[in-house]
Formats: sequence, structure tokens, C-alpha cells
Amino acid sequence: AQKVTQAQTEISVVEKEDVTLDCVYETRDTTYYLFWYKQPPSGELVFLIRRNSFDEQNEISGRYSWNFQKSTSSFNFTITASQVVDSAVYFCALANAGGTSYGKLTFGQGTILTVHP
Amino acid sequence: DADVTQTPRNRITKTGKRIMLECSQTKGHDRMYWYRQDPGLGLRLIYYSFDVKDINKGEISDGYSVSRQAQAKFSLSLESAIPNQTALYFCATSDTGTGETQYFGPGTRLLVL
Repeated sequence: AQKVTQAQTEISVVEKEDVTLDCVYETRDTTYYLFWYKQPPSGELVFLIRRNSFDEQNEISGRYSWNFQKSTSSFNFTITASQVVDSAVYFCALANAGGTSYGKLTFGQGTILTVHP
Repeated sequence: DADVTQTPRNRITKTGKRIMLECSQTKGHDRMYWYRQDPGLGLRLIYYSFDVKDINKGEISDGYSVSRQAQAKFSLSLESAIPNQTALYFCATSDTGTGETQYFGPGTRLLVL
């Protein structure tokens, strides 16, 4: 069985603060994919990033960065210099690359991020 | 135009009614999925289809059925709606060439009275 845990239910920050969203996962598979999605107040789900299990290189995209550590089964997401438009629910998700759960996403419960002006 | 569309976007229905939610995609992906989102529970998989002839139950399929009419169309039906099926429903698509990245439609808000 696979599981994704986002322990932070809600985070509130003031604009320009840095914020890190935590994600811890469990899987027995050796090959898998990790994802982050953003759900703004309008409700749609926006794909942010995919990371393969065999690629532990961290990634930076503008103000967003992701830290993947297999040793701790974590895939954390940091927003630098947060902005009001970053206010959203953020979901971490896991998909195994093989076995009976191949291709199916398991989502964490989501973290509600509120950025105050 | 959006790659993944869902109709209707909002729906109010009464207990016991049959309703259908429709999903269409222009991404050319083989795989399609239906999820529901409830507050505090994230998204849970209802049904998925890896091609037109392949339909599989997800973790919460009871009370739902699906039809894959074509590669681009995947419909979700509630045979006899009940209030605890009130939720936000998402359709998604993926392709093996994208490392199983799923792309989501805009969602359908369903209220069962």
C-alpha cells in the first residue's frame, strides 16, 4: 500500500516570507513518481512538478523549489518570497511505476496556504 | 480551449435521481480517471480506464458507474444519488509518455439534496 502524508493542515504567512510545505510518502516500490499540484480558490488542479524516484536532484523554478530525499521519504516544496497569489491548497501525490497500482495517484490530504498582504 | 473539459460545472439534484457527469479530452491520452474531493480528505479515486476496453474500480466505486464511450470521453454516473455524494468531482487524463502525470479538468460541484 502507498500513502502520502501532509502533516501541515494549514499554514499562514505574511507576504515575502519563505514557506515550506512538507510531504512524506510510503511505498514498497523502488520506482515511482512524486507530484505537487496547486488548487487555487477557483478550484482547478494545476500540475506543478513531477519527480522520478531515481532522480534526487533538487529543482528550482522561479520562486518554487523542491527538495526530494529518498533517505527520509520526503518531497518538500518551498516557496520563496511568497505572494498573495500563492494562496491555495497544495497537494502532494505519489504514483507507482509498476505493480497493481501502476499509474494511480495517491494524494495527501492537502495543505491550505494563506499568504496575507 | 481547455484540454480536459467537464460538464456540467455545477449541478444540484435530489436524493434518488440518476445523474451523469461527462468528461472530454483533446490531449490524445489513453488513460482517464474520475476522482472526488471532500474537505480534509484530498482526492480519492473512483474509477479509472487505461484504454477504451479497460475499466477498473478505484478505492470508492460503490454507488458509481462509468462508461468509456471513446478514447476522448469518460462519463461518471450516479445511479441513485444520495447526500453523501455531495462533493467536487474531477476528471483527469494521463499518458505513459508523460511519466503518469495526470492533467485535471476544472471540476464539477455536485450538491445532492
